[in-house]
Order: sequence, then C-alpha cells, then structure tokens
Amino acid sequence: QKEVEQNSGPLSVPEGAIASLNCTYSDRGSQSFFWYRQYSGKSPELIMSIYSNGDKEDGRFTAQLNKASQYVSLLIRDSQPSDSATYLCAVNPPLGTGGGADGLTFGKGTHLIIQP
Amino acid sequence: EPEVTQTPSHQVTQMGQEVILRCVPISNHLYFYWYRQILGQKVEFLVSFYNNEISEKSEIFDDQFSVERPDGSNFTLKIRSTKLEDSAMYFCASRQTGFSNQPQHFGDGTRLSIL
Repeated sequence: QKEVEQNSGPLSVPEGAIASLNCTYSDRGSQSFFWYRQYSGKSPELIMSIYSNGDKEDGRFTAQLNKASQYVSLLIRDSQPSDSATYLCAVNPPLGTGGGADGLTFGKGTHLIIQP
Repeated sequence: EPEVTQTPSHQVTQMGQEVILRCVPISNHLYFYWYRQILGQKVEFLVSFYNNEISEKSEIFDDQFSVERPDGSNFTLKIRSTKLEDSAMYFCASRQTGFSNQPQHFGDGTRLSIL
C-alpha cells in the first residue's frame, strides 16, 4: 500500500517568514516527487519537482529530498499572503512500474496560512 | 502556456443516471489520467491511459467507470450509473512522456454533484 503522509495543519506563518512543509512516503523505490499548490475549490498547480537527493531551488521555493529517510520537504521563503493554500505532496511509483503511466499518490495536504 | 481543459465545470445529475466528463489534454502529451477528490479528502488516482488503452487503474475504478479517447483531442470519463458517493471533483491530467520525472498537468476539474 503506497502511503504519503503530511501534517494537515493548519500551519500558520507570519508574512515574510519561512514556511516549512514536510512529507514522508512509504514506497522506498519511489523516484519522483512533486509539490502541488491547491487553492480552495481549485485544481492542483505544480510548484516544484525533485528526483535527486539534496536541494532544488526555484525562486522563493526550495524542495529537499532525502531518499534514505523517505522524506521530502518544501521551503517557502519570504512568505506572502497569496501563498496561503493547501500544499500537496505527490509521489510517482518506482521506475518501470506500469510503463510510465502510473498515477501519482497524493498526501492529504498541509493547509498553510500566511498571516499579514 | 498550453492547458488541460475540462468540461463542464459543474455537472448535476440524478442518482442512477449516466454522466460523461470531458477533457482536452495538452496537444503533444501522450499520457492521460483521471483523478477524483471528494470534498475535504485527498486527491485519488482513478485511471491512466496511453496508446488508446488503459495502462493502470485503481480499485476505485470499477465496472461503472470507463474511459475513451473518441478522437484525436478528447479524453472522456463515463460513469454509467451514478451513486451519491460519486459526488466529487474530477480532475483530468496529462503528461508529455512516460518518464516519471515529467510532471502531470491538471485541468481545472469538473464538480460532479449527484442528487
């Protein structure tokens, strides 16, 4: 059973501070990891993807991956009120499973609130 | 930027009726997916589709569900005899290739309400 775990929150962070979102996954062979942002009533919007251990930075966002610990995180620097949303961690199964067409396994998401 | 488009945005249907949800994936994408999200719950994978056939399906995707690519652009999800518990947001997604490091791009979703 593939599991992706996230703290549901809400996580409340002051404007301008760093928001730290965490995710753990159960399938040790998982290869690709994605962070999506979802505003209430809207669809998931891709924020970051990461495949290799270490950090990956894109603007105010940094994704971190530790495959040994089966842990993925997302840091949002200089948090803005517009960053208030639910952040979904999604995991792709191991390479070779399903011929590349496998569905993503999502966590329940962390509700982030940026306080002005 | 190319987008996945879904129609209708909201569908209200009587229990037991058939419903068809439509999606137009991004034009050069080859892999297509349907997900659902029941209100307040996580996004759940239903089915993936490649080369005009189902590649993978979850345990949710039972005999009442079917998918089809009737022409070169549309990708549809049919629910044959809807139940109250089918009420959810249904998202279509597409991916350009089968490489798992390629992201899936989601449409805006169809809100399905079963009365």
